Amino acid sequence: GNSVTQMEGPVTLSEEAFLTINCTYTATGYPSLFWYVQYPGEGLQLLLKATKADDKGSNKGFEATYRKETTSFHLEKGSVQVSDSAVYFCAPLATDSWGKLQFGAGTQVVVTP
Amino acid sequence: DAGVTQSPTHLIKTRGQQVTLRCSPISGHKSVSWYQQVLGQGPQFIFQYYEKEERGRGNFPDRFSARQFPNYSSELNVNALLLGDSALYLCASSRQGGTEAFFGQGTRLTVV
Repeated sequence: GNSVTQMEGPVTLSEEAFLTINCTYTATGYPSLFWYVQYPGEGLQLLLKATKADDKGSNKGFEATYRKETTSFHLEKGSVQVSDSAVYFCAPLATDSWGKLQFGAGTQVVVTP
Repeated sequence: DAGVTQSPTHLIKTRGQQVTLRCSPISGHKSVSWYQQVLGQGPQFIFQYYEKEERGRGNFPDRFSARQFPNYSSELNVNALLLGDSALYLCASSRQGGTEAFFGQGTRLTVV
């Protein structure tokens, strides 16, 4: 079955630092890949996506590139803000899954002023 | 446009009771999925419905059931509640089964 491995948190950073959250996955076929963000007490928000190999998804200063060779989809942001403090989830969506997203445990990011 | 809406936002139930959670998808979306998120963990897939038919089911007991209505809204039912059912229940909608999903704010269920 599909699975996701994310780096464990919490990741604690100072404001304006560089953020990387590693994500590797296993999935049948060539899945679409998503990053979701969850702020405290809220549901999940779609942050960015990539639907095929070498695609780069980007949004709000975050970027992630679909690496088929390494089955990875690492999330990066060049300069984080306190408002980026949240839990981040990487999730593949297999082509034959009928919409079943496979989530890992998530990575908590804490940005301090 | 309104996003995915879920109701209620919070509720408290007693062990053994039954609960119904509701979800309205984004206008134009025909697929609804349900996820359970226990505190500190990632969401776990429960069900997916598309065009009123069940298309996927996760590893949950038969106490969990769902349905989708002609207007594409959905209900999740959980019978004989256990303490371990306490979680945030998330609904997600998408245009069809294999496309990006948008989540609601969730229903926080506490079983006491």
